[in-house]
Amino acid sequence: RKEVEQDPGPFNVPEGATVAFNCTYSNSASQSFFWYRQDCRKEPKLLMSVYSSGNEDGRFTAQLNRASQYISLLIRDSKLSDSATYLCVVNPAGGSYIPTFGRGTSLIVHP
Amino acid sequence: DAGVIQSPRHEVTEMGQEVTLRCKPISGHDYLFWYRQTMMRGLELLIYFNNNVPIDDSGMPEDRFSAKMPNASFSTLKIQPSEPRDSAVYFCASSPPGGDGGELFFGEGSRLTVL
Repeated sequence: RKEVEQDPGPFNVPEGATVAFNCTYSNSASQSFFWYRQDCRKEPKLLMSVYSSGNEDGRFTAQLNRASQYISLLIRDSKLSDSATYLCVVNPAGGSYIPTFGRGTSLIVHP
Repeated sequence: DAGVIQSPRHEVTEMGQEVTLRCKPISGHDYLFWYRQTMMRGLELLIYFNNNVPIDDSGMPEDRFSAKMPNASFSTLKIQPSEPRDSAVYFCASSPPGGDGGELFFGEGSRLTVL
């Protein structure tokens, strides 16, 4: 099983839709979790951290489910500009500082 | 403030040639990462440094790859000899001290094509 797994998509949604992605991780001792966004032919950029209690930033909500070992990203009221690849990142425990990236989920928002 | 700076942005070379990629991290950041991204394998961590010291190079594909960080403001990734399967986008990223282990700042990448 891969350390971090994501559905590659693409998720093709109309403007205004709500869309959610999941990301599963294999190391139950993982301590920190993040979502990154990567636009076509650009570098990844941090979108948001994922806290145990869940967190919200405008139209974006991230949640962590430790029991089932997955994190999720919910995007409400999708905009054309949300079209990108969303990468999940998991940082293991025990002082090993090796952020591990999923392969990303592609989102296409159409008019 | 300047972000992570990588050079060259694009390189096309022939098989067997030496390739050197360069990275200048954000000032004050004490972690530096080299990643490789391909369609087939996604983003793979090659090596990372903490305070200029290589901590984990288990992701380096083979002996043809080497990385150095002679000081806090400069790192290189060298491929010698290069092969067509090395074609990818190579990203350098840095991270500040005291963070929670996930806020990486990436450079714009070096797109390598080996013919």
